[in-house]
Amino acid sequence: DVKVTQSSRYLVKRTGEKVFLECVQDMDHENMFWYRQDPGLGLRLIYFSYDVKMKEKGDIPEGYSVSREKKERFSLILESASTNQTSMYLCASRPPLTGLKETQYFGPGTRLLVL
Amino acid sequence: DQQVKQNSPSLSVQEGRISILNCDYTNSMFDYFLWYKKYPAEGPTFLISISSIKDKNEDGRFTVFLNKSAKHLSLHIVPSQPGDSAVYFCAASVGTSYDKVIFGPGTSLSVIP
Repeated sequence: DVKVTQSSRYLVKRTGEKVFLECVQDMDHENMFWYRQDPGLGLRLIYFSYDVKMKEKGDIPEGYSVSREKKERFSLILESASTNQTSMYLCASRPPLTGLKETQYFGPGTRLLVL
Repeated sequence: DQQVKQNSPSLSVQEGRISILNCDYTNSMFDYFLWYKKYPAEGPTFLISISSIKDKNEDGRFTVFLNKSAKHLSLHIVPSQPGDSAVYFCAASVGTSYDKVIFGPGTSLSVIP
């Protein structure tokens, strides 16, 4: 069974703070993703990574950066948190494509409040 | 502008009846569609998918219908059960690159016992 864990379920931070959101998967998946979920907007892709030390921008990368030093861990970094980054953050991982039914496996999410 | 739309934010259905969740898309290049289900305090989980070469895919109580000409898909749940109460996300992607899966805003389904 695939397991994707996120370091925190809830976080409260102040404007301007540096924030680290950690995600770990235990299935040796090459691909990992960070999304944010906002009401009325669904899930929007922030960054993704194909492999260690590789990263690609998603649809809304502004204000975020990522780090993938080990295959199992993908970190999302808010260099200077702002109130508009208050959101639910979801990490996902995915194995290499072997057929149309391959999908992403999501972690439980981190709800971040920036004051 | 949202490429994947779910115009009903919420839906209530009696237990045992059919639930129909709708999804519209604007990008004619999308050729693979997925439905995810999300319970509170959990991440989304994959439910069912359909390729654009098909117009229907069935998995137990869940059936997805695709109408390419209308750029519309729907998820049917028959019969609906209280455990189906969740937020359902429609998602779409282009070709074999599933990296940029575009999600709709979600529909919250309540199945009333």
